[in-house]
Amino acid sequence: EIVLTQSPGTLSLSPGERATLSCRASQSVSSTYLAWYQHKPGQAPRLLIYGASSRASDIPDRFSGSGSGTDFTLTISGLEPEDFAVYYCQHYGSPVYTFGPGTKVEI
Amino acid sequence: QVRLVQSGAEVKKPGSSVKVSCTASGGSLSSFAISWVRQAPGQGLEWMGGTIPFFGSATYAQKFQGRLTVTTDESTRTAYMVLTGLKSEDTAIYYCARRGPAASFDNWGQGTLVTVSS
Repeated sequence: EIVLTQSPGTLSLSPGERATLSCRASQSVSSTYLAWYQHKPGQAPRLLIYGASSRASDIPDRFSGSGSGTDFTLTISGLEPEDFAVYYCQHYGSPVYTFGPGTKVEI
Repeated sequence: QVRLVQSGAEVKKPGSSVKVSCTASGGSLSSFAISWVRQAPGQGLEWMGGTIPFFGSATYAQKFQGRLTVTTDESTRTAYMVLTGLKSEDTAIYYCARRGPAASFDNWGQGTLVTVSS
């Protein structure tokens, strides 16, 4: 079973700064099935990136994803106030889905 | 644009069962796989299980095998999740989510709070 680890657990930054979030898989996975989500309290999670690097509909281009094998990265270039949230990576390994534990991006 | 609308909050006793619905407003669920994801208080997201539309079956996380049943009624455009043998640890917000590109979840319900308490 694939285990996803995210680091750091919490990232303290200011608006305008760059955020780099890491997601590491316990074994090599297909980048095709690696996604990132943003989750704010009281709201449903929001898909940001799928296929490791493809932005979902209506996602601003300050969000970008990269990586392959066991190491994946979500980058937010220039944090906006609305970007402070928890971010999860997720992998699909037929037939099950796995989420990472999340990274909280706080002011 | 299809919106997934979930049923309201539930309070259940330990040992009982809960059924949560997820209705596609403004569209169809046909041919879409619907998964159920939960978030316990202070915890992260946890995938529980989901439908496999083309085979008319479902797949479940090992943790929920035997306790969870997920189904879809295409005539009412509604997906259902039934969790039995509830424990206090099942207190969580339960989300339905539609499988989108590259097995991501591109459309989510608003969430349903299930509280298990004696």
